[in-house]
Amino acid sequence: IAGITQAPTSQILAAGRRMTLRCTQDMRHNAMYWYRQDLGLGLRLIHYSNTAGTTGKGEVPDGYSVSRANTDDFPLTLASAVPSQTSVYFCASSDVSGGPQHFGDGTRLSIL
Amino acid sequence: GESVGLHLPTLSVQEGDNSIINCAYSNSASDYFIWYKQESGKGPQFIIDIRSNMDKRQGQRVTVLLNKTVKHLSLQIAATQPGDSAVYFCAENRGSGYALNFGKGTSLLVTP
Repeated sequence: IAGITQAPTSQILAAGRRMTLRCTQDMRHNAMYWYRQDLGLGLRLIHYSNTAGTTGKGEVPDGYSVSRANTDDFPLTLASAVPSQTSVYFCASSDVSGGPQHFGDGTRLSIL
Repeated sequence: GESVGLHLPTLSVQEGDNSIINCAYSNSASDYFIWYKQESGKGPQFIIDIRSNMDKRQGQRVTVLLNKTVKHLSLQIAATQPGDSAVYFCAENRGSGYALNFGKGTSLLVTP
């Protein structure tokens, strides 16, 4: 089934550790996104990539980095995790025409 | 309507009734709007979208209405079913690239 695959589905991580959340899509969409979802704050954009080889900062980029080496993969890295990064992280993609974004089922991350 | 606090607004409807979920957006330059449904433990799922050159669009059991004058968007669900119970988000295209700005969500509870 075509779509977005995120891994891991959940993770408990000690503060200060490095963590990479994986995201892969098989729809050949040009644009990809990372959001965090926190109760009461909705979905907030962390980073995005309009096409392979380019990335941009979203609303809440601090403490996160991304790369887009190819069309299909868009990993999100926390270089040194802090408790405030405890959240549910969603990866999404859309075709370049700006159509609806398709979401994965998220990674639930707890930083202790 | 959309939440501004820690608790999502909740709309409770009886099975078989029609539901109306409202959303106010902020950017008068937004030209594309989407409604998403999010079930517990899942990522947001596309329901229906509308562009600013339209004021109404219908799908299967759902209708989206757009009032650009007052920057208001609504989602109408006909003959609401228990499977419609979820959190519903509106999203607007900010107009700069492909990023979406999400509302904080409304929880729909369908009672038998």
